[in-house]
Amino acid sequence: ETGVTQTPRHLVMGMTNKKSLKCEQHLGHNAMYWYKQSAKKPLELMFVYSLEERVENNSVPSRFSPECPNSSHLFLHLHTLQPEDSALYLCASSQVAGRAYGYTFGSGTRLTVV
Amino acid sequence: RKEVEQDPGPFNVPEGATVAFNCTYSNSASQSFFWYRQDCRKEPKLLMSVYSSGNEDGRFTAQLNRASQYISLLIRDSKLSDSATYLCVVTTGNQFYFGTGTSLTVIP
Repeated sequence: ETGVTQTPRHLVMGMTNKKSLKCEQHLGHNAMYWYKQSAKKPLELMFVYSLEERVENNSVPSRFSPECPNSSHLFLHLHTLQPEDSALYLCASSQVAGRAYGYTFGSGTRLTVV
Repeated sequence: RKEVEQDPGPFNVPEGATVAFNCTYSNSASQSFFWYRQDCRKEPKLLMSVYSSGNEDGRFTAQLNRASQYISLLIRDSKLSDSATYLCVVTTGNQFYFGTGTSLTVIP
């Protein structure tokens, strides 16, 4: 399988649940990203990992916890979310952090918090 | 002030029409510029990069005006399949900044 794969595609969770989003890239890229896309708002960068180290955390609430065990996998652990966290969560990867070459998005996880 | 601003539209145009989108950016130090296309409930995909000299890819033409800090996308001879949201993207340092997107619907 190639490209950037995200699972699950859809997720409905209660505010007291704990769940995780998974992202996997088979492109040999060194950087991975989590974005949030809410309706009528621009894509918001949440986290950037470069060579498995977090290099960017854009004031994201602690109820979102990223994990990058290796350069091919990225997780976003979710707990005690709020209804306003409902959005499309997109993973992306690129060869080098912040560089446009090869920037590729996954198909996203559509999260609904009830 | 937002890093990137776009007119959200929607733009509803007949098949065959020419349509243009503009996008402004606030940081004069921005280095790279792109247009992405996002279909409904799908991820954004790179449409084309934007260069100072302007560049063309088939029916699509992108322009960059550094003095006025805007980029544009022109679509000629619109097809039904062009219906999507078009996102303006600007990189500054290590950051990518996305516009909110401009919605285009091409009508038969």
